[in-house]
Amino acid sequence: KQEVTQIPAALSVPEGENLVLNCSFTDSAIYNLQWFRQDPGKGLTSLLLIQSSQREQTSGRLNASLDKSSGRSTLYIAASQPGDSATYLCAVEGGSQGNLIFGKGTKLSVKP
Amino acid sequence: DAGVTQSPTHLIKTRGQQVTLRCSPKSGHDTVSWYQQALGQGPQFIFQYYEEEERQRGNFPDRFSGHQFPNYSSELNVNALLLGDSALYLCASSFGGVGTQYFGPGTRLLVL
Repeated sequence: KQEVTQIPAALSVPEGENLVLNCSFTDSAIYNLQWFRQDPGKGLTSLLLIQSSQREQTSGRLNASLDKSSGRSTLYIAASQPGDSATYLCAVEGGSQGNLIFGKGTKLSVKP
Repeated sequence: DAGVTQSPTHLIKTRGQQVTLRCSPKSGHDTVSWYQQALGQGPQFIFQYYEEEERQRGNFPDRFSGHQFPNYSSELNVNALLLGDSALYLCASSFGGVGTQYFGPGTRLLVL
């Protein structure tokens, strides 16, 4: 059974700092991995999708990497801003294509 | 280009009642997936609809049922509501059930 774990559960950093969020999964047989952002009480915004054959994806200040063999992904946020404060969720699309399995998220707070 | 829309935004019901939630997918998408997100948890997959049929189902009881219409919009029905059904219900759409899933803002259900 696929399980997704995100560490840390919460993170507080000063504005301008570079930071890394971690995601691990137990079954390496995945189609892809997605990172999402969720603001309090809101829906999910897709940030990056990495196909199983890819190693990384970049969008602006965000860079996500995937190491399928070790079951790990990282989301790197450069030059963090207060507007980056949100919960970041990692999800893998595994044995059943179309079924996303999520971690519990990392709650990020960027202090001005 | 309208994204994924959901209605209603909030709903309060009492135990034993029935509820229907609605979702319209992003333009050009034909697949709708439903997720339940309890407070402080990651979303959990309920089921996916494609070509008006349930294609996949997560570990949810038969009290949870759905429907997809010819215009690809979808409904989630929950019968015999329990207190534990209180959650944010998220709808996501995609094309062909693969690739990036785009999420709606969710419906917040409170069962008293």
